[in-house]
Amino acid sequence: DTAVSQTPKYLVTQMGNDKSIKCEQNLGHDTMYWYKQDSKKFLKIMFSYNNKELIINETVPNRFSPKSPDKAHLNLHINSLELGDSAVYFCASSQMGTRDEKLFFGSGTQLSVL
Amino acid sequence: KNQVEQSPQSLIILEGKNCTLQCNYTVSPFSNLRWYKQDTGRGPVSLTIMTFSENTKSNGRYTATLDADTKQSSLHITASQLSDSASYICVVSAGKRTSYDKVIFGPGTSLSVIP
Repeated sequence: DTAVSQTPKYLVTQMGNDKSIKCEQNLGHDTMYWYKQDSKKFLKIMFSYNNKELIINETVPNRFSPKSPDKAHLNLHINSLELGDSAVYFCASSQMGTRDEKLFFGSGTQLSVL
Repeated sequence: KNQVEQSPQSLIILEGKNCTLQCNYTVSPFSNLRWYKQDTGRGPVSLTIMTFSENTKSNGRYTATLDADTKQSSLHITASQLSDSASYICVVSAGKRTSYDKVIFGPGTSLSVIP
């Protein structure tokens, strides 16, 4: 079973559209994240939720809205998509407060905005 | 400014050879340093974690070192295999409460192992 799964794997859409990416983790972790990896391969954190509450919100346009219905799910909704939103988006999870608080990543969603 | 730099940017080696990847950081206060391996089309996977007091940590053919004084880390890969071809990312955590307080990713080193 995949520990952190996100769908879809690929997403191709037109500028101006609204799209969602879903993420689920079955590790029992209490913290989930969304990261953006640009063309230069830098991973940048966008959001983090701990027990369904937003704890990190980096400088991200408010067109991006995360939603956490429960601590096993963190979805990302993007309104009015722009060309610059094209990137790979990674969902991740971790257990806060453990000594080895490593991130477990999903396989990524490659978003292409045309 | 908290920053993580890696070198080289890319590296090509022959199968069976050893290689060493470098990571320099300016992160304060330092919490821990991790190396992640990212295969093409996949998410990063943690290889090692090192805290301030640890100098060396091994995970199979991967050995990471940390010099907290010079703020440098290295990842040594022994007897490379074709499956080692991937991007290796150095990640440094700042802060004292939890490691996610400020997690800074390096740009990665792209390693290609050729037969």
